Amino acid sequence: DQQVKQNSPSLSVQEGRISILNCDYTNSMFDYFLWYKKYPAEGPTFLISISSIKDKNEDGRFTVFLNKSAKHLSLHIVPSQPGDSAVYFCAASSRGGGFKTIFGAGTRLFVKA
Amino acid sequence: GAGVSQSPSNKVTEKGKDVELRCDPISGHTALYWYRQSLGQGLEFLIYFQGNSAPDKSGLPSDRFSAERTGGSVSTLTIQRTQQEDSAVYLCASSPRGDQPQHFGDGTRLSIL
Repeated sequence: DQQVKQNSPSLSVQEGRISILNCDYTNSMFDYFLWYKKYPAEGPTFLISISSIKDKNEDGRFTVFLNKSAKHLSLHIVPSQPGDSAVYFCAASSRGGGFKTIFGAGTRLFVKA
Repeated sequence: GAGVSQSPSNKVTEKGKDVELRCDPISGHTALYWYRQSLGQGLEFLIYFQGNSAPDKSGLPSDRFSAERTGGSVSTLTIQRTQQEDSAVYLCASSPRGDQPQHFGDGTRLSIL
């Protein structure tokens, strides 16, 4: 039972354009959402988060949008840079669940120069 | 400052042997997580330690898997009678509290021959 789904295994974007990575979840109890970035042979690194009381959080080139009614969140990267090429994981947790974090399968982003 | 440290970085062993994987979390972090990433897959939750609470073991795939966290710091993940399907990268993460982003180690790549 996949509670967090990233349906696009990969995405290719031209440098300078916007990258949009999508994530859907099924558990309505989730109230804290995060995006992590992972390079090969390294552990994931935290990128940006959003709590369920907000619908948008922005940090530099990265913005996360949350649509609770649709159980959907997205990560926007603009402008995209070649160094952004990595695997991006969406993750979700809930206070009621003790903050056990469930990760999606990841989306591999390729940013072409 | 020191991040999350995992050892060994690589482990090759024969089917049926026991293995121990070690995680040194960031000092002062009360939450510690173990995940598994099989080839081409996302991060599979295994176990979660939070302070002195009983660990959430709901992700352990079988009774061959166990984990301990001694003194609220170092954790070891033990896999008994290893099988080929146990081959994966095992990732450890820690966070100051459960509701804060996790810091990951670079993982242990386990190969079962």
